[in-house]
Amino acid sequence: AQSVTQLDSHVSVSEGTPVLLRCNYSSSYSPSLFWYVQHPNKGLQLLLKYTSAATLVKGINGFEAEFKKSETSFHLTKPSAHMSDAAEYFCVVSLVGQLTFGSGTQLTVLP
Amino acid sequence: NAGVTQTPKFQVLKTGQSMTLQCAQDMNHEYMSWYRQDPGMGLRLIHYSVGAGITDQGEVPNGYNVSRSTTEDFPLRLLSAAPSQTSVYFCASSFSVYYEQYFGPGTRLTVT
Repeated sequence: AQSVTQLDSHVSVSEGTPVLLRCNYSSSYSPSLFWYVQHPNKGLQLLLKYTSAATLVKGINGFEAEFKKSETSFHLTKPSAHMSDAAEYFCVVSLVGQLTFGSGTQLTVLP
Repeated sequence: NAGVTQTPKFQVLKTGQSMTLQCAQDMNHEYMSWYRQDPGMGLRLIHYSVGAGITDQGEVPNGYNVSRSTTEDFPLRLLSAAPSQTSVYFCASSFSVYYEQYFGPGTRLTVT
């Protein structure tokens, strides 16, 4: 069985400061991992994905994530938050035909 | 390309009514899926399909039916609506489960 835990349900940062959204996963095999973003009343958009190539994955809008097998983590980071980054973020693991979503992290960016 | 389209955008049902949520994609994707999104629970997989004529259950299939007669369409049927099915429903498609999922805009369903 696979599962995903997003360690923070809410994160607040000031504009221009770093963002860290934490995700841990459990899986019996090497999974594919994704981060999706959802802006209010919108569908989900892919930020980045890990599929067993480079462990540091760069995505859109300056986001990146590092796959750490020893820690079973896939944390999402951005060096400098922008107001437009305010949204809900989902960590997702993909294995054997199904996606499993984390419960989401709501990111607030303060001016 | 229209991408993934869903209809209706909003729907109110009474308990016991049935309805079909429509989902279509024009990207020739084999993999399609339905999720429901509830506060604090992320998205949970209801049913998925790896190609026309092939469907399978996800995490929360009870009370829902699907069929996949064409590559483009993947409708979700609520057999007898219950208040517990009040949720936002998303359809998604991709080349496979290991690739980026393209999500529709969602259907907000309320069951009274």
